[in-house]
Amino acid sequence: GESVGLHLPTLSVQEGDNSIINCAYSNSASDYFIWYKQESGKGPQFIIDIRSNMDKRQGQRVTVLLNKTVKHLSLQIAATQPGDSAVYFCAEKNVGANNLFFGTGTRLTVIP
Amino acid sequence: GAVVSQHPSRVICKSGTSVKIECRSLDFQATTMFWYRQFPKKSLMLMATSNEGSKATYEQGVEKDKFLINHASLTLSTLTVTSAHPEDSSFYICSARDDRDWTSGGPETQYFGPGTRLLVL
Repeated sequence: GESVGLHLPTLSVQEGDNSIINCAYSNSASDYFIWYKQESGKGPQFIIDIRSNMDKRQGQRVTVLLNKTVKHLSLQIAATQPGDSAVYFCAEKNVGANNLFFGTGTRLTVIP
Repeated sequence: GAVVSQHPSRVICKSGTSVKIECRSLDFQATTMFWYRQFPKKSLMLMATSNEGSKATYEQGVEKDKFLINHASLTLSTLTVTSAHPEDSSFYICSARDDRDWTSGGPETQYFGPGTRLLVL
């Protein structure tokens, strides 16, 4: 089966620093990946996505990197702000499937 | 755009009663919606895929008679927890994919609702 896991369950960074959240996946058939942010007591919020035919995608202050060779996904947040404090999940979708598989999550804490 | 709502946000019920949770896509149509369950400090676990006009597809280990899903329209799916017990207490979250993304080959993003916290006493 598939597994989507994270290298670090918690991450603390100083405000203004850059954050890197990592994710490993095991299913080479996955063709679509998403990063979600979840604040306490709320539903996940879409951050950025990337298809398997790309290795990098940038958004506003965020960048997702995909390394298919080692099945590794990362989320980079530039100039991290207190409002970025949340749990971040990576999710993958298999080719031909509709549903997403979620990783275990990383809690990001931004220290003012 | 792409807003998904859930109602209620919180519900407390007695053991043995049934609870219905609604999931609505407010500004888009969603032929397919998804129901997840999340335990404290844990990841999201997919329970079932809800399809408008057909039966829901349940994940392995999820009792379809326990968790009834009805996708009544292109903007509404409901999850009913029947004969709820304390072990059913959890955070239930729905998501939906915009039908326009399906047809256009656009993003396969799922947009999530705010979640419903269920406490069964």
